Amino acid sequence: EIVLTQSPATLSLSPGERATLSCRASQSVDSYLAWYQQKPGQAPRLLIYDASTRATGVPTRFSGSGSGTDFALTISSLEPEDFAVYYCQQRRNWPLTFGGGAKVEIK
Amino acid sequence: EVQLLESGGGLVQPGGSLRLSCAGSGFTIANFAMIWVRQAPGKGLEWVSLISPSGDGTKYTYYADSVKGRFTVSRDNSRNTLYLQMNSLRVEDTAVYYCAKADSSSFYPHWGQGSLVTVSS
Repeated sequence: EIVLTQSPATLSLSPGERATLSCRASQSVDSYLAWYQQKPGQAPRLLIYDASTRATGVPTRFSGSGSGTDFALTISSLEPEDFAVYYCQQRRNWPLTFGGGAKVEIK
Repeated sequence: EVQLLESGGGLVQPGGSLRLSCAGSGFTIANFAMIWVRQAPGKGLEWVSLISPSGDGTKYTYYADSVKGRFTVSRDNSRNTLYLQMNSLRVEDTAVYYCAKADSSSFYPHWGQGSLVTVSS
């Protein structure tokens, strides 16, 4: 099983600041990695797939990078609606796995 | 517009059974890979099961080790509905269960609203 480790677990930032979240895989997932955003009481929302492609309707302030085992999600300038939990997910190998999540909270 | 509407959650005793439904609209369920993902209270996301599209008449199903042999994913094409039959339920199966639909990227942009399953005596 491919283990995805996200860091930091919590990021405390102010609106307008830049956020960078990390996802490290226990073995290569090539570029088969996605990022999801989840707000309390809501289903996950796909933000980025194939490591760096924005999903439909996702603002350009969200960007993804990386390949192999090291990936990042960057939010260039935090908006109030961006404070949420973010998960990475790989589909390179079975079983599909998610990272443990990273919370972006208001400082 | 793609929509997924889940139902069937509730309170069940350990060892009991429950069937979740996920009704699709705006697309044909048989043509897409569909997954179930769960989230225990205050925890992260855990993939549970996947059913492949049935374009050539065959389908494949995959399960997380934690549910293998107890859960069964299926699809009723006439009702455009996905199911998750859950047997021998355990306290640790307590979670919100989501269904989700794949797109051409083989990732999951479409999710249901979630259905809460509580396993408790």
